[in-house]
Amino acid sequence: DAGITQSPRYKITETGRQVTLMCHQTWSHSYMFWYRQDLGHGLRLIYYSAAADITDKGEVPDGYVVSRSKTENFPLTLESATRSQTSVYFCASSESIGRGYTFGSGTRLTVV
Amino acid sequence: KNEVEQSPQNLTAQEGEFITINCSYSVGISALHWLQQHPGGGIVSLFMLSSGKKKHGRLIATINIQEKHSSLHITASHPRDSAVYICAVRVDKLIFGTGTRLQVFP
Repeated sequence: DAGITQSPRYKITETGRQVTLMCHQTWSHSYMFWYRQDLGHGLRLIYYSAAADITDKGEVPDGYVVSRSKTENFPLTLESATRSQTSVYFCASSESIGRGYTFGSGTRLTVV
Repeated sequence: KNEVEQSPQNLTAQEGEFITINCSYSVGISALHWLQQHPGGGIVSLFMLSSGKKKHGRLIATINIQEKHSSLHITASHPRDSAVYICAVRVDKLIFGTGTRLQVFP
């Protein structure tokens, strides 16, 4: 099906473990984004990508790594998970900066 | 001070009421987005506007660039409108407000 899908929907991991959140879109949108959503904060940008092999830091990139070897995939890796990274993570895509955004359903990550 | 402020933070209404949610921002923008987040967590884009007014069904969004203010109106509100409504402004990237939680009771 066309759209933007995130996996997993829910994840519990232990402090110090590496975990990867997946994001896949079927429109060949150029731009993809990773946000985290925490109580009391608006969505905050972690990383974004303007095209395959082009990524850039957002507002809160520390502790996260991204890659974009293919246009349709934009995985987010927590190299050594910490409790402060417990959050809901949203992936989004956009055809261009001037167009609307489409969001995935989110991944709820708990670090214990 | 946040660059994007929404008011109210929480809003309760009876079915059928006219709803207004406000968004003020302090930076120069190229566009403003209104998003809806349902209790299940998914986020849906409602409007993107850079001037004037847009309407979709019972939803109306307006923006006043000079006053750095936007409003989202819901006419004839319904319990299914219960959600968090998020304003976001585009500078080079999107900057999000913290959302307005709307509950509409039958």
